[in-house]
Amino acid sequence: NSKVIQTPRYLVKGQGQKAKMRCIPEKGHPVVFWYQQNKNNEFKFLINFQNQEVLQQIDMTEKRFSAECPSNSPCSLEIQSSEAGDSALYLCASSRTGTGNTLYFGEGSRLIVV
Amino acid sequence: QQNVQQSPESLIVPEGARTSLNCTFSDSASQYFWWYRQHSGKAPKALMSIFSNGEKEEGRFTIHLNKASLHFSLHIRDSQPSDSALYLCAVSGSGTYQRFGTGTKLQVVP
Repeated sequence: NSKVIQTPRYLVKGQGQKAKMRCIPEKGHPVVFWYQQNKNNEFKFLINFQNQEVLQQIDMTEKRFSAECPSNSPCSLEIQSSEAGDSALYLCASSRTGTGNTLYFGEGSRLIVV
Repeated sequence: QQNVQQSPESLIVPEGARTSLNCTFSDSASQYFWWYRQHSGKAPKALMSIFSNGEKEEGRFTIHLNKASLHFSLHIRDSQPSDSALYLCAVSGSGTYQRFGTGTKLQVVP
């Protein structure tokens, strides 16, 4: 079973609604990633953190997505105003510091925007 | 911009067969290479990684890397029905996040 815990497993939102999902990384892993896996299995990197600081993020994330990894609380990814194209599986992964480290994924939060 | 492509898109093999999956990448500065496996409805899980040219074997799985050809592959010996899953390759460079291919769907039939 995955040691990265994501909640909720499913969420259904109307267009324009906020959608928020949470992630508890594996213990001892200071780096957290969010990826979007669409129905064609395309993995899109969204943002990553080391401890509470953003390391990298893509343009889309800057505009409609917000994310944080506060100290002693789950990390979160929030879509401010959901669009149909946001329907996807949102995967959280964690890793040790440094490049070249394996990602440990949660089972994802599946968002359906109706 | 890194482009990662996988082939074939899908594959059906009989139990006991040897299976070969391919991954090509576009950035010659890439340094780290992984294969992940994702069973239906489950989290992707790392199978193997390789960081230098050559071959690496772990159990029934072997990974080959040829950086000059911008290509690496995964070979599964004695394929089992439990190997049926989506296989994802991933590539990263120094200080960059992993970029994934769109996967090969493998089905192993008894």
